[in-house]
Amino acid sequence: DAKTTQPPSMDCAEGRAANLPCNHSTISGNEYVYWYRQIHSQGPQYIIHGLKNNETNEMASLIITEDRKSSTLILPHATLRDTAVYYCIVRVANGAQGGSEKLVFGKGTKLTVNP
Amino acid sequence: ETGVTQSPTHLIKTRGQQVTLRCSSQSGHNTVSWYQQALGQGPQFIFQYYREEENGRGNFPPRFSGLQFPNYSSELNVNALELDDSALYLCASRSDLNTGELFFGEGSRLTVL
Repeated sequence: DAKTTQPPSMDCAEGRAANLPCNHSTISGNEYVYWYRQIHSQGPQYIIHGLKNNETNEMASLIITEDRKSSTLILPHATLRDTAVYYCIVRVANGAQGGSEKLVFGKGTKLTVNP
Repeated sequence: ETGVTQSPTHLIKTRGQQVTLRCSSQSGHNTVSWYQQALGQGPQFIFQYYREEENGRGNFPPRFSGLQFPNYSSELNVNALELDDSALYLCASRSDLNTGELFFGEGSRLTVL
């Protein structure tokens, strides 16, 4: 079972920031928070990940609370192309060669960006 | 574009038949995993291959099997198809040095009648 809880759906106006919450109250100290998204009829796409510090890349920002029990993915200026299902996943980082990389997806949040 | 290609994109089979799905991973990626995504659900991990050996498996019966070839391309085989096997099958690859960033293909949509 997924170890995260996300709202099933959210709406956002084009050009505004989209803030997608995720609860992971049972996260362990060695587990990272990952975000993927899946645009309709495509494979999931990696967005960002973090352990305890806030992270930012060209796609999004990830804010993790100090107790690490929840996080928020921020799309700073949402566009229509950001309409997708967003998945929050917790996993143990396994950098070992060939280490098993099982991602446990929940149902995610369906984000709709409106014009 | 992730560099991961899957074939066929769509196919229809009947119950009891067998199917083979193919995946060509991104150049330099020696680890490939397969996921099943039923309609309205998130992807579910089937198994992972590293250097031609299965090294991780989800909760799927033995009739789901796979292969990885020396060029790191991969196959997913499903025998004795059931109606519930209808789903999008996703292949994902990663390199040795990566921690968690999987590159997914567009998937193969299987319909079992």
